Amino acid sequence: EDQVTQSPEALRLQEGESSSLNCSYTVSGLRGLFWYRQDPGKGPEFLFTLYSAGEEKEKERLKATLTKKESFLHITAPKPEDSATYLCAVRSNYGGATNKLIFGTGTLLAVQP
Amino acid sequence: GAVVSQHPSRVICKSGTSVKIECRSLDFQATTMFWYRQFPKKSLMLMATSNEGSKATYEQGVEKDKFLINHASLTLSTLTVTSAHPEDSSFYICSARDQGQGRNIQYFGAGTRLSVL
Repeated sequence: EDQVTQSPEALRLQEGESSSLNCSYTVSGLRGLFWYRQDPGKGPEFLFTLYSAGEEKEKERLKATLTKKESFLHITAPKPEDSATYLCAVRSNYGGATNKLIFGTGTLLAVQP
Repeated sequence: GAVVSQHPSRVICKSGTSVKIECRSLDFQATTMFWYRQFPKKSLMLMATSNEGSKATYEQGVEKDKFLINHASLTLSTLTVTSAHPEDSSFYICSARDQGQGRNIQYFGAGTRLSVL
């Protein structure tokens, strides 16, 4: 069965203190790994899609990387407005359903000024 | 990114009444939409996959007679919570799958907070 595990559950950073969030996955045929940002009381906001090991994508202070077993979301010099829950999800061939996303439980990031 | 509109954002209803939630893809057509439920401090739980012009596919343990899904057009899916009870109170979120130009990305609505009294 496909699984996604995110760590840490919560992370508190000082403004400007760079760090990384981890997403470990086990899937039967990866068809994409997705990162979303979710603010309290809102729906997830799409950030990145990664499809193959070695792929990297960047957006402002965020950079996502992918290996065969995990993905990292690197946050460089974070600002308080980066505070949110970051969700990782995978799409796989499990059960022949290629459109379903399996979500991790998220990392709650708090950036203090 | 693409825009998905979900309405209402918040609804309070009495026990036994039905509530309809709408999910619209505003700038793309979506043959597939998804309905999720999210409990406090938990991740998203897929309830059902909504397919335009056909019956929805429900996840194991989700009552199809309680959570009615209609996907009558390429830009609109609705979720009706029938005979709502307090245990149905939750945060419901829809997403729409954008398949334009080789993409396969789910974009999410802002969610609906349902409170059943």
